[in-house]
Amino acid sequence: IAGITQAPTSQILAAGRRMTLRCTQDMRHNAMYWYRQDLGLGLRLIHYSNTAGTTGKGEVPDGYSVSRANTDDFPLTLASAVPSQTSVYFCASSEWGNNEQFFGPGTRLTVL
Amino acid sequence: LAKTTQPISMDSYEGQEVNITCSHNNIATNDYITWYQQFPSQGPRFIIQGYKTKVTNEVASLFIPADRKSSTLSLPRVSLSDTAVYYCLVGNAGGSYIPTFGRGTSLIVHP
Repeated sequence: IAGITQAPTSQILAAGRRMTLRCTQDMRHNAMYWYRQDLGLGLRLIHYSNTAGTTGKGEVPDGYSVSRANTDDFPLTLASAVPSQTSVYFCASSEWGNNEQFFGPGTRLTVL
Repeated sequence: LAKTTQPISMDSYEGQEVNITCSHNNIATNDYITWYQQFPSQGPRFIIQGYKTKVTNEVASLFIPADRKSSTLSLPRVSLSDTAVYYCLVGNAGGSYIPTFGRGTSLIVHP
């Protein structure tokens, strides 16, 4: 069982380019989340999805979009990357109604 | 959203007990208190969760006073491998819950 996987592991991206970070879980969890982690700021929620077909905005949603076409996948898209989006991105999932989240290994993104 | 406050950093030594306190003065009736641990270059990992009084598992204990306005994560006899950032979250995932991790507490365990 893989749990939750993210791709790519790391990426260097030119400003203005479009980028999709992938997240897949095999635990059949209803809820999925995207966070960014910056030094000194902890983890901040970008977007979340409580179930397939629904999404919601977190604390820092601007510049990002998500989709939830099925239970397993929750891609995060940067339509036009900017240097301030340089960060480590974590995807997580949980059973709906359960506070315990399972995290992926993260994607380190650098926007130049 | 129930806001949490915890120390930015703590230092300890191997073999000591470490207590990290989190304040959550506006915790709601249905909110649970959840703690996570994060090692460098890894995602956070769930440690323990509680609603009231005391919860204990193989990793830690969680003490919650009757008013539930604070909670204390207790790590018995820490080792170097317990060096990590510890996050306290408050909320009810069954409701309109937006998890807020904040900056956490950076624990450094010294030899």
